[in-house]
Amino acid sequence: DQQVKQNSPSLSVQEGRISILNCDYTNSMFDYFLWYKKYPAEGPTFLISISSIKDKNEDGRFTVFLNKSAKHLSLHIVPSQPGDSAVYFCAASDAGGTSYGKLTFGQGTILTVHP
Amino acid sequence: EPEVTQTPSHQVTQMGQEVILRCVPISNHLYFYWYRQILGQKVEFLVSFYNNEISEKSEIFDDQFSVERPDGSNFTLKIRSTKLEDSAMYFCASSNRGGHQPQHFGDGTRLSIL
Repeated sequence: DQQVKQNSPSLSVQEGRISILNCDYTNSMFDYFLWYKKYPAEGPTFLISISSIKDKNEDGRFTVFLNKSAKHLSLHIVPSQPGDSAVYFCAASDAGGTSYGKLTFGQGTILTVHP
Repeated sequence: EPEVTQTPSHQVTQMGQEVILRCVPISNHLYFYWYRQILGQKVEFLVSFYNNEISEKSEIFDDQFSVERPDGSNFTLKIRSTKLEDSAMYFCASSNRGGHQPQHFGDGTRLSIL
């Protein structure tokens, strides 16, 4: 199932700089997109979401951008902190259709923020 | 902050045995989900549950699997006759309504089939 892809398995960033995590999707029915953060031995923690009627959503240090024509979204973390080091998952759903919120996940990107 | 709780954190079971994974969703949530993640693979959707019935299931969710909300707080996933390939992390999630609402996940149950 390649409907949601995160092509970068890992990303390394210096503390204080910007982290940019990318995600591509192929299913044009997706209309709701989410980012989750996951630490080892824990479940995914919801970070931020965006619906397809918007192209940007911001929450503190986290901003998600959606480019529907390119079927691409990105998560920006500014400034990055060592505590942000985790696996980041992009997820999508066809929330406005017949789906009851089923999420399709990307493979994840391991973010490491160096002090 | 309310959270989804899952028990046990780790379950070891002999192949062919039945296993029940338990979840307590966030109390005012109405939509419940199970996902699994096989080691090294993506998180995969198994089933969604609303209004005391399955609303959607994946092709993974065959006759060996069942879900139940036996009371007002618990949500369980049963695997009737486990196979080696059922070894995975199983995550429960809940949301307070469908549509554009985030799902909140528990910390998972690691299921190991011997």
